[in-house]
Amino acid sequence: AAGVIQSPRHLIKEKRETATLKCYPIPRHDTVYWYQQGPGQDPQFLISFYEKMQSDKGSIPDRFSAQQFSDYHSELNMSSLELGDSALYFCASSPDTSGDTQYFGPGTRLTVL
Amino acid sequence: AQSVTQLDSQVPVFEEAPVELRCNYSSSVSVYLFWYVQYPNQGLQLLLKYLSGSTLVESINGFEAEFNKSQTSFHLRKPSVHISDTAEYFCAVSDSNAGGTSYGKLTFGQGTILTVHP
Repeated sequence: AAGVIQSPRHLIKEKRETATLKCYPIPRHDTVYWYQQGPGQDPQFLISFYEKMQSDKGSIPDRFSAQQFSDYHSELNMSSLELGDSALYFCASSPDTSGDTQYFGPGTRLTVL
Repeated sequence: AQSVTQLDSQVPVFEEAPVELRCNYSSSVSVYLFWYVQYPNQGLQLLLKYLSGSTLVESINGFEAEFNKSQTSFHLRKPSVHISDTAEYFCAVSDSNAGGTSYGKLTFGQGTILTVHP
């Protein structure tokens, strides 16, 4: 069965640079969630989209922005990167917003030097 | 607002011994409950979930969890663990009000690292 795809899997950036993370949800899933998991931390909700509109927002810095495109894939744009942004970024998709099932991608490991 | 507390950050256990990973939650609304497992350098895999109905839910690999509403707990148990169960386990909740303002986001606990020794 198709799963959630995230690219790239690993990314190394310098401070103050910009990064773009991509998420391709499971086909026919119209809801996408982004989570950030710092080293030794639990995943923290960043932002979600439903039918290409932002549906909910968590602890996402103003330096970050995200959107969901017409094909339902989503991109997380991160600017002015800081050392503290180093983390594993997960994308999850769901067939609806009921909250009863989320399928997680393998994550993108971002390292900021 | 919701919060999840996993009472043990690390649980060491010997192979074939029973194990319990504890999870308590706090929420002003009714919730769905989940356990996810994360193997080293991998993503989150859903282990089991409670949505409604029977308070005892089971996974295909021998884990079970029981929803206790009065104690706001959702502890994970396995009667006999294997080396391959070594991983980090996360308890999580979401708002069960379908289509409500939370739109299904998950709130995670801090994680419990289960280490199974031979």
